[in-house]
Amino acid sequence: TQLLEQSPQFLSIQEGENLTVYCNSSSVFSSLQWYRQEPGEGPVLLVTVVTGGEVKKLKRLTFQFGDARKDSSLHITAAQPGDTGLYLCAARSGTYKYIFGTGTRLKVLA
Amino acid sequence: DTGVSQDPRHKITKRGQNVTFRCDPISEHNRLYWYRQTLGQGPEFLTYFQNEAQLEKSRLLSDRFSAERPKGSFSTLEIQRTEQGDSAMYLCASSLGLAGLTGELFFGEGSRLTVL
Repeated sequence: TQLLEQSPQFLSIQEGENLTVYCNSSSVFSSLQWYRQEPGEGPVLLVTVVTGGEVKKLKRLTFQFGDARKDSSLHITAAQPGDTGLYLCAARSGTYKYIFGTGTRLKVLA
Repeated sequence: DTGVSQDPRHKITKRGQNVTFRCDPISEHNRLYWYRQTLGQGPEFLTYFQNEAQLEKSRLLSDRFSAERPKGSFSTLEIQRTEQGDSAMYLCASSLGLAGLTGELFFGEGSRLTVL
């Protein structure tokens, strides 16, 4: 059973638009990660957030960890076709196990 | 070392056959994970090794599934008597487990299983 719910499940937007993806849980996590996965490949880490309320920026991507460390968001400014992919949040459950969210499939149209 | 490698990349088998997947992690990584992923969904945790010890096995993993990491290096995941519901991408990931680190998972490209 997935403990990380992502929304929306699917998003199709035009190049240049902004978007936000959400990752929510009822559990508190010590850290949370965001990965991006392209077809035929494994997920690749984008960022790790650790502190409640933390905001990290990676070029046009802005990641925020909720104050209570139960949720996170990913905002993309001026989306480009190269941003297309499956975005996954992940969190450590226990000492070593990582669980993944349900995923948000993003398609950016040129 | 170029990263995590998995073999085979694709496997088509008939229901009832056994299949085995291999994962070679990044050489200095002591932690190794197996995940299963169906189309458009997030990876589901299957099992985890620290060195050669299998520390957790998901309830998703029936008795038909077994994983080993005999020398703490490469790992194999075997599925016996495959069923159509086993069709999925099987992902392997490794990480360097050091206290205090948040732990990036490095994934292989996956082994896609199709059971006919």
